[in-house]
Amino acid sequence: DIQMTQSPSSLSASVGDRVTITCRASQGISNYLAWFQQKPGKAPKSLIYATSSLQSGVPSKFSGSGSGTDFTLTISSLQPEDFATYYCQQYNSYPPTFGPGTKVDIK
Amino acid sequence: QVQLVQSGAEVKKPGASVKVSCKASGYTFSRYGVSWVRQAPGQGLEWMGWISAYNGNTNYAQKVQGRVTMTTDTSTNTAFLELRSLRSDDAAMYYCARDFFDGGGGFDYWGQGTLVTVSS
Repeated sequence: DIQMTQSPSSLSASVGDRVTITCRASQGISNYLAWFQQKPGKAPKSLIYATSSLQSGVPSKFSGSGSGTDFTLTISSLQPEDFATYYCQQYNSYPPTFGPGTKVDIK
Repeated sequence: QVQLVQSGAEVKKPGASVKVSCKASGYTFSRYGVSWVRQAPGQGLEWMGWISAYNGNTNYAQKVQGRVTMTTDTSTNTAFLELRSLRSDDAAMYYCARDFFDGGGGFDYWGQGTLVTVSS
């Protein structure tokens, strides 16, 4: 199975900050990388697929980049509703696997 | 709008079975697959398997292979997850997700989750 790692595991940030989360795959996954946001007690919400494509309705403050094994999620200007846990996930090969998550909380 | 609505919380004893449903609306059900993903309390996300709503083909995670069955009912646009021989480590929130990548694990819409408690 492809192992996904994320860094940092948690971060504290202020409203208006630019935040970047890194995701690394244990082997190349082309651009088959997705990002999800999960708030406490809620289902995950799909943000990005194919590394950089926004899901329908997702604001443009979210962006993704990378290829091969190294990927990033950037939130350009953090807002109160963005405080959540973010997961990356590869779907290049079976089984699909998720990163352990990055918790973004308020500084 | 696309919606996936799951059945309610379940409490089961170890060794029992549970069947969770996921009713889809807002799109042509047979054009997409459905994956099931679970999340143990305080833990990350774990993919359990996928079913094609077009032809019923399935692909299960090795960890639950032999204990899991995924089915669909195209007359009601509903997907089902059955997990047998429940253990304490099966206690989790179970999510269905629409799979847009033809079984490859690309998810766009998610159900609200079904909490499965396993306790004697």
